[in-house]
Order: sequence, then C-alpha cells, then structure tokens
Amino acid sequence: QSALTQPASVSGSPGQSITISCTGTSSDVGGYNYVSWYQQHPGKAPKLIIYDVSHRPSGVSSRFSGSKSGNTASLTISGLQAEDEADYYCCSYTSSTTRVFGGGTKLTVL
Amino acid sequence: EVQLVQSGAEVKKAGESLKISCQGSGYSFTNYWITWVRQMPGKGLEWMGIIYPPDSDTTYSPSFQGQVTLSADKSSNTAYLQWRSLKASDTAMYYCARRAAAGKEFDYWGQGTLVTVSS
Repeated sequence: QSALTQPASVSGSPGQSITISCTGTSSDVGGYNYVSWYQQHPGKAPKLIIYDVSHRPSGVSSRFSGSKSGNTASLTISGLQAEDEADYYCCSYTSSTTRVFGGGTKLTVL
Repeated sequence: EVQLVQSGAEVKKAGESLKISCQGSGYSFTNYWITWVRQMPGKGLEWMGIIYPPDSDTTYSPSFQGQVTLSADKSSNTAYLQWRSLKASDTAMYYCARRAAAGKEFDYWGQGTLVTVSS
C-alpha cells in the first residue's frame, strides 16, 4: 500500500488561503468518502480537523474545509493565521479495510 | 472527558521484546476500535493496524503484518502494541487513537510513546 501523495510543503501569508492536495487511487481516496485530515504541531499528537471528506468536528475552525474530486482530496485553509503553521496529513480508508496516510505537508505561514 | 493515556518512553536493545499500552477513559472502551500509528524521527504518519477490544478483531497494515501484535484487555480498558524482537528501525514515536463510532476517522489520540532501540 503506497502512501497517498501530498506536496512536501506549502506556504502562505497571514490572511491568505492555501490548499493542500492528497492524491490516491480508486482503491482508496477515489473509492470512498472516508478521507480525513489531521493537523500536527511539533512535538504534539495529531488532531482531527476534517472527516468524511468535508465534515468538521465540533470545535474546529470554519476556516478549515475539505473537498474531493476523483482520486484527489483537498484541504483548504482560509484566512491563514500563525497558529496554522503545522504539518498536515490526509488519511483514507481503503478497499482492503486498512487505512493509508499521505506523506504529510509542512505549512509555513510567512 | 475522553482520554487515551499511553505508557512511558522506552529504551531497549535490538532483539528485546516490548509491549506498550494505551488506556482509554471517559467513554465506553468496548464500543470503539483502537488504532496504532508509527512516526519515525522526522518522518510522516504510518498506519499500523486496528483492533476492536470486545472480540480482538484485528486488521494489520501489510507493512506491519507479522512484525507487531495488537491486543486489548477489556477489563482494564487498555490496548497494547507488542514486539517479539525489536530492531533499530523500530525507533519511533507510536500513537494510539480511537476510531470514531460512526465513521472511519480517528477522533481522539494518545500522547504518544517514544520507543528507542539501540543496536
């Protein structure tokens, strides 16, 4: 099972919007609406920020949104803030009933 | 408050065995699957496997099948990750996480257990 493909890094200025892509196959991202996104600050455990492609857990800012088209899911962060600087990981359910993470994307807020 | 509390950091030698734990509280432990995730130093998250405590139904990632064993003890609300013979390449942070009741996502995470294996 290969990791989902994410850009290694993205950056943006405060107030701007950025989008992180997550590309898989029809056996994972494209086959199910079970893509989730996690935010991880240095030295901390991951935190769920998006589930089922586009749903936000209670307490997560509405600045975070998710979508999917074909085999590619996307996380968009609008109104960038300094506290958004972190690593972001996508994760998908697979046809083997396993899970697969993306390689991770480092977000830098300039 | 839902909490997953993991056991403390471990320093071991290659070839030794190890079992780390993840204790759930603040929710009905037997109603939720528990997953384990590896993060090697400076690297990304890797999904290892998932276990359902009531019957120990387990699914492993092909990458970890045969390398580790997942188990759970309903009586103590604790899930375990075990190695029979550690390798230096097992050096990593290991996280447990709870799978959400109705979905496939992982909604609560433990604080992580750092395992260091020297050769």
